[in-house]
Amino acid sequence: KQEVTQIPAALSVPEGENLVLNCSFTDSAIYNLQWFRQDPGKGLTSLLLIQSSQREQTSGRLNASLDKSSGRSTLYIAASQPGDSATYLCAVNSPGTGANNLFFGTGTRLTVIP
Amino acid sequence: DGGITQSPKYLFRKEGQNVTLSCEQNLNHDAMYWYRQDPGQGLRLIYYSQIVNDFQKGDIAEGYSVSREKKESFPLTVTSAQKNPTAFYLCASTIGTGSPYEQYFGPGTRLTVT
Repeated sequence: KQEVTQIPAALSVPEGENLVLNCSFTDSAIYNLQWFRQDPGKGLTSLLLIQSSQREQTSGRLNASLDKSSGRSTLYIAASQPGDSATYLCAVNSPGTGANNLFFGTGTRLTVIP
Repeated sequence: DGGITQSPKYLFRKEGQNVTLSCEQNLNHDAMYWYRQDPGQGLRLIYYSQIVNDFQKGDIAEGYSVSREKKESFPLTVTSAQKNPTAFYLCASTIGTGSPYEQYFGPGTRLTVT
């Protein structure tokens, strides 16, 4: 069964720094990988979706890369801002027992210090 | 505005009572999902439905029940058989089921059972 790991569990950086969040998965047979943002007590907001055939996706200050063979994805955030403070979750869509079977990591809680 | 709504945002119940969480979407999506989120754990799939009047168990279906009488609605009942029901519950949907589509999430319902 697919397992998704996110390290570190928490990260604090000063405003303006560039940073990288990591996601690793055990089974390289994936359809796609999604990065989500979750604010405290809120639902998930989809940030980027990378299909298995793609190497990276970009949206504004966010860039997500995918290395399927090594089972890794990174989310790069440029010029971090206090508003970026949230928990970031990655989820892998793998062949499983049902359609769109997502396997989630436990998230990295990011704090950007003004 | 298209989206997923969940109500209520907070729900309190006494142990031994069944409770139903609402999930409605106006995205015209075929598939809908229920996840449970606990501190320090990734989201876990409870039930999903690919089409009206059909649904499948996820990884942790015991103590839960669902119905899908309308395309827009996928209510989740937490029964008294669920041993540890206090959690944050998230509903999601995808446009279809034949391919790995992007998942969209609602704002969540926090259930507290005492």
